[in-house]
Amino acid sequence: GQNIDQPTEMTATEGAIVQINCTYQTSGFNGLFWYQQHAGEAPTFLSYNVLDGLEEKGRFSSFLSRSKGYSYLLLKELQMKDSASYLCAAHHGIGGFKTIFGAGTRLFVKA
Amino acid sequence: GAVVSQHPSRVICKSGTSVKIECRSLDFQATTMFWYRQFPKQSLMLMATSNEGSKATYEQGVEKDKFLINHASLTLSTLTVTSAHPEDSSFYICSARIRDYYEQYFGPGTRLTVT
Repeated sequence: GQNIDQPTEMTATEGAIVQINCTYQTSGFNGLFWYQQHAGEAPTFLSYNVLDGLEEKGRFSSFLSRSKGYSYLLLKELQMKDSASYLCAAHHGIGGFKTIFGAGTRLFVKA
Repeated sequence: GAVVSQHPSRVICKSGTSVKIECRSLDFQATTMFWYRQFPKQSLMLMATSNEGSKATYEQGVEKDKFLINHASLTLSTLTVTSAHPEDSSFYICSARIRDYYEQYFGPGTRLTVT
């Protein structure tokens, strides 16, 4: 079956670095998304990893290991506005290209 | 570019009535649109996938007679919640994709409250 696991909540301090982990099990895996979602709003795209390795995009980086079914999102120089839910989502091609979302990790950034 | 709109943003209706939610791709043609539902503090649950001009494909456990989806054009899909009940109260989000391109563009969501 399809399964995505990520921590429910994390707390970090402004200016620090935080890593949000995600493990997934899915058939026909194509790639791994990370989205940011503020309360009451739609998700916004952060990254999409297809190949193994780390991809850096400003303060945010995302890592993928296909063999281990593992990904993480790394947030550097945390800002208060980074307080949000971060959704890990697996893109797979079974039954048409679909995206399965994890439950999300609520990140609280404190001063 | 790649903007998706939803209307209405919020709706309150009485139990037993029907509500229609529109999802539009404003500056691109969306061959596929997705409808998600999200309960508080939970993730997005895919309800159905709709391709322009064909019947929607519903996920297991989603009642197709209750959640009617129409994708009449490449820029518009509608979700109608028929005979709504309080347990249908949720945040409904649509997204649109261009052909088989991986990225999907999300609408701002519709908050439905059934009283």
